[in-house]
Amino acid sequence: EPEVTQTPSHQVTQMGQEVILRCVPISNHLYFYWYRQILGQKVEFLVSFYNNEISEKSEIFDDQFSVERPDGSNFTLKIRSTKLEDSAMYFCARSDRNYGYTFGSGTRLTVV
Amino acid sequence: KQEVTQIPAALSVPEGENLVLNCSFTDSAIYNLQWFRQDPGKGLTSLLLIQSSQREQTSGRLNASLDKSSGRSTLYIAASQPGDSATYLCAVLGGTSYGKLTFGQGTILTVHP
Repeated sequence: EPEVTQTPSHQVTQMGQEVILRCVPISNHLYFYWYRQILGQKVEFLVSFYNNEISEKSEIFDDQFSVERPDGSNFTLKIRSTKLEDSAMYFCARSDRNYGYTFGSGTRLTVV
Repeated sequence: KQEVTQIPAALSVPEGENLVLNCSFTDSAIYNLQWFRQDPGKGLTSLLLIQSSQREQTSGRLNASLDKSSGRSTLYIAASQPGDSATYLCAVLGGTSYGKLTFGQGTILTVHP
């Protein structure tokens, strides 16, 4: 089963700062996703990314969020000006017809 | 809008018991359903994937069933072990093979020796 690697595993940032979360999926796949899980809550969809473009995004994914695949392999989620309520586990994922979704181990973002 | 509900919210059983976790979803137009395991503070590990055309899938001591028309899935764990203690999440994929997953809130399972 294919793997997804996320870095860093934990990031602490001050409110108002920009953060970039990184994901390294298998480079020949086209569909990637970001999800998040606030402590004690459901895992929530943020955005899907296909062929270097956003294909779908949730109401959570406002102008403070952006995604890109800058070098054809890394897949990044940027939060421009973090808020306390952005504190959560952020998961990168890829999907496949045979395996379904494969999630990374997550980045725990703590905004102080 | 798809809603996914898991029952029970928490379950505590002695080692060796067989147990059933339940998942229901409101929109039966799904592409597939996937069960995940999540250990505290960790990522999501895929356990079983059931395509919408399938009725069940098995992996070791795990068996998942799907009744799409009634909007239900169950995860059966045989001969539970303390190492099975984790949160079990059900998620449905709507419409297309590359759509978004909608998750339930999970069942927290504790298996005590």
